[in-house]
Amino acid sequence: DAKTTQPTSMDCAEGRAANLPCNHSTISGNEYVYWYRQIHSQGPQYIIHGLKNNETNEMASLIITEDRKSSTLILPHATLRDTAVYYCIVRVAKGDYKLSFGAGTTVTVRA
Amino acid sequence: SQTIHQWPATLVQPVGSPLSLECTVEGTSNPNLYWYRQAAGRGLQLLFYSVGIGQISSEVPQNLSASRPQDRQFILSSKKLLLSDSGFYLCAWSAKGGYGGTEAFFGQGTRLTVV
Repeated sequence: DAKTTQPTSMDCAEGRAANLPCNHSTISGNEYVYWYRQIHSQGPQYIIHGLKNNETNEMASLIITEDRKSSTLILPHATLRDTAVYYCIVRVAKGDYKLSFGAGTTVTVRA
Repeated sequence: SQTIHQWPATLVQPVGSPLSLECTVEGTSNPNLYWYRQAAGRGLQLLFYSVGIGQISSEVPQNLSASRPQDRQFILSSKKLLLSDSGFYLCAWSAKGGYGGTEAFFGQGTRLTVV
């Protein structure tokens, strides 16, 4: 799987949009970008994934650059419950079953 | 709908004692199964993954082993626990990959303290 680079931490104001960047400059054409988050003392939770088109669901939006070398996860209206570690992962859809997490970004939403 | 069960939620074990953590998945068949460990203040470390019954891949050399006796059952074991085995253990499953990608679903974890 391609490696990803994320900032170690970031703060966000409650009610504002949180934009979480991720670099994946060595991504291959068949690798997807996944985002998970882990709230303290819980198992990771899937947020969203995409291949090359921007994606949106009830939790977040995923913006992938045209060259696919980076992406941004957008939490449109951050709440205190969004405080968590956010992981950006790239992996193929099938054929490689490993799912490895990096250090992630610790996001703290402040009132 | 699919669910994943992991137990126990917390466990305190003495050094040198055996360990058995069990994970079961419902509502799907032939899943990929994973065991992760998270030491205090650290990231998620992939320990084992399995693509089918009896098929186990180990990611790191360690004091632990895994087994998959049934399609939807994944067991993490140790014959003799070490202090360094303390941590938060997470089981996860994902469907076999296909067009569109697949996400992984995690259990609630077992917090193991070796004393």
